[in-house]
Amino acid sequence: DAGITQSPRHKVTETGTPVTLRCHQTENHRYMYWYRQDPGHGLRLIHYSYGVKDTDKGEVSDGYSVSRSKTEDFLLTLESATSSQTSVYFCAISESILRRDEQYFGPGTRLTVT
Amino acid sequence: GDSVTQMEGPVTLSEEAFLTINCTYTATGYPSLFWYVQYPGEGLQLLLKATKADDKGSNKGFEATYRKETTSFHLEKGSVQVSDSAVYFCAKDSSYKLIFGSGTRLLVRP
Repeated sequence: DAGITQSPRHKVTETGTPVTLRCHQTENHRYMYWYRQDPGHGLRLIHYSYGVKDTDKGEVSDGYSVSRSKTEDFLLTLESATSSQTSVYFCAISESILRRDEQYFGPGTRLTVT
Repeated sequence: GDSVTQMEGPVTLSEEAFLTINCTYTATGYPSLFWYVQYPGEGLQLLLKATKADDKGSNKGFEATYRKETTSFHLEKGSVQVSDSAVYFCAKDSSYKLIFGSGTRLLVRP
């Protein structure tokens, strides 16, 4: 199994509070991704990173920011959580897009915004 | 834009039945195609993949063939087991990212 951990695994927070989710990898892969999973929508890309301090937006980036100061860590921040951000969040990593490698997924973080 | 469309679930089958889950994609170039599986409470795992037209990906008794002419990548298994109960996602790559279908839940009854 790819070495990907996510923390916390579960979180309940109130509307308007900031929340940071962490993804940590031990594979030294260059590419890291944050997705959210919602019923009927599959997985949707929030942000991704193609190297340290190199990030870009995905299809559902509004209300989220990311940072990557080290190869192994990719943080997702909800500056002011809203109920629409209640979801399961998955981190994924990939070694290379040139080889069309598959992505490896973490176990997920279930976030509830009340 | 880029999209992947899967048949809606849930799909309920008896053990040893034949499984087909349909998947079609929009054709921009020649993407790699993937099937991922998600067991309850877990993240997604790669089940199989195909990187060019007419390739057949296979794993654990599951198969899917890359059909460029019909832009399809249907998942099949000849005899499902209870342990195959999970959610299955079809995906295609689009430069740096994956585009996922909405997922199909499979429930296999003993």
